[in-house]
Amino acid sequence: AQSVSQHNHHVILSEAASLELGCNYSYGGTVNLFWYVQYPGQHLQLLLKYFSGDPLVKGIKGFEAEFIKSKFSFNLRKPSVQWSDTAEYFCAVNGGGYNKLIFGAGTRLAVHP
Amino acid sequence: DVKVTQSSRYLVKRTGEKVFLECVQDMDHENMFWYRQDPGLGLRLIYFSYDVKMKEKGDIPEGYSVSREKKERFSLILESASTNQTSMYLCASTTSGSHEQYFGPGTRLTVT
Repeated sequence: AQSVSQHNHHVILSEAASLELGCNYSYGGTVNLFWYVQYPGQHLQLLLKYFSGDPLVKGIKGFEAEFIKSKFSFNLRKPSVQWSDTAEYFCAVNGGGYNKLIFGAGTRLAVHP
Repeated sequence: DVKVTQSSRYLVKRTGEKVFLECVQDMDHENMFWYRQDPGLGLRLIYFSYDVKMKEKGDIPEGYSVSREKKERFSLILESASTNQTSMYLCASTTSGSHEQYFGPGTRLTVT
């Protein structure tokens, strides 16, 4: 069965620190990979996505992610976080028909000024 | 911009009550989804619909049903609410050609 594993449930960083959130997936077919973000009190929104091509994808707000097929990974990175990046981050992979997604458990990021 | 709206942001119901959560999208999307979001468990799929009157069970359908009478509207029904259904409920939609889902603001349901 398809699954997504996010390694860290809670991450605490100071502003300007670098961020890397791990995501590993289990899926045998062609993967579409996503990172969604949920800021406090707001909708879940798309941060970035990978469908094909360049395995390094750039998203909004300076985030990027790298698809490493051999490691079944799609880690999220940002070189220098800001207090406004405080949010919960979810990794997702397409899971079967009807455009379903399988989500990871999420990582709560707290950035301290 | 795609807009997905949900009928309530916060809802408090009593055990045993029938609860209706409604979701409306304005982008003519074929697919609609209901998830529940719980701390440490991420988003779990309850039900989804790929067309009017068509529905499929997700990973955790027990205790829930759905209705899709119009393309833009997808309702989640808790036939007899229980305390373990206290959760955040998220609705999402997507076009049939894409996996990118658009989410509503969520309904935080408390069952007492």
